[in-house]
Amino acid sequence: QSVLTQPPSVSGAPGQRVTISCTGSSSNIGAGYDVHWYQHLPGTAPNLLIYASSNRPSGVPDRFSGSKSGTSASLAITGLQAEDEADYYCQSYDSSLSGWVFGGGTKLTVL
Amino acid sequence: QVQLVQSGAEVKKPGASVKVSCKASGYTFTSYYMHWVRQAPGQGLEWMGIINPSNGDTNYAQKFQGRVTMTRDTSTSTVYMELSSLRSEDTAVYYCATERILGGYQPLDYWGQGTLVTVSS
Repeated sequence: QSVLTQPPSVSGAPGQRVTISCTGSSSNIGAGYDVHWYQHLPGTAPNLLIYASSNRPSGVPDRFSGSKSGTSASLAITGLQAEDEADYYCQSYDSSLSGWVFGGGTKLTVL
Repeated sequence: QVQLVQSGAEVKKPGASVKVSCKASGYTFTSYYMHWVRQAPGQGLEWMGIINPSNGDTNYAQKFQGRVTMTRDTSTSTVYMELSSLRSEDTAVYYCATERILGGYQPLDYWGQGTLVTVSS
């Protein structure tokens, strides 16, 4: 069981909008620690998608956005494209564990 | 540009140890922490630990304490992760990844290509 809970899978048709949730607790997201999101394509290294809950590194399309509220965070992808099909992970710091934690990952399928 | 180049795939027997290297280039080695993250087949990303290349300080995930050792060689800008008492469940792709030393908990912005470690008798 991951400390950060994500839905195992989400799907959407091209052009649609999907959201991926990341639910934590008072020792991680709820404690105010930043949430980061990564996109992971099979056979490649994970790629930073969103940092500090809602910021995009240069080169990441503005179709990707992030938000945080309370003990949860969300990643939204608008205008879905076939190339967005990948696994997505949230990450934060957990004070109870004194370490970094990842969500279990969400597989996005573009129908 | 920042590059993290990891050592090649390894096949180990249960009970053995493995040492994976991660050679950094394109930035000041002591300006970024180095994390190790692994992904077992069909599983998600799992954080293993972090090393401060400046002073060698480490912080390991509770799950790996006593079995993992992270070290660095500043003369070659290389970080090492050694995992001992290997079991089949340690079969995974192991990644090194950098975190800029800025205070707080920054994202992992650069990643190595991954090293497959297979544990099999």
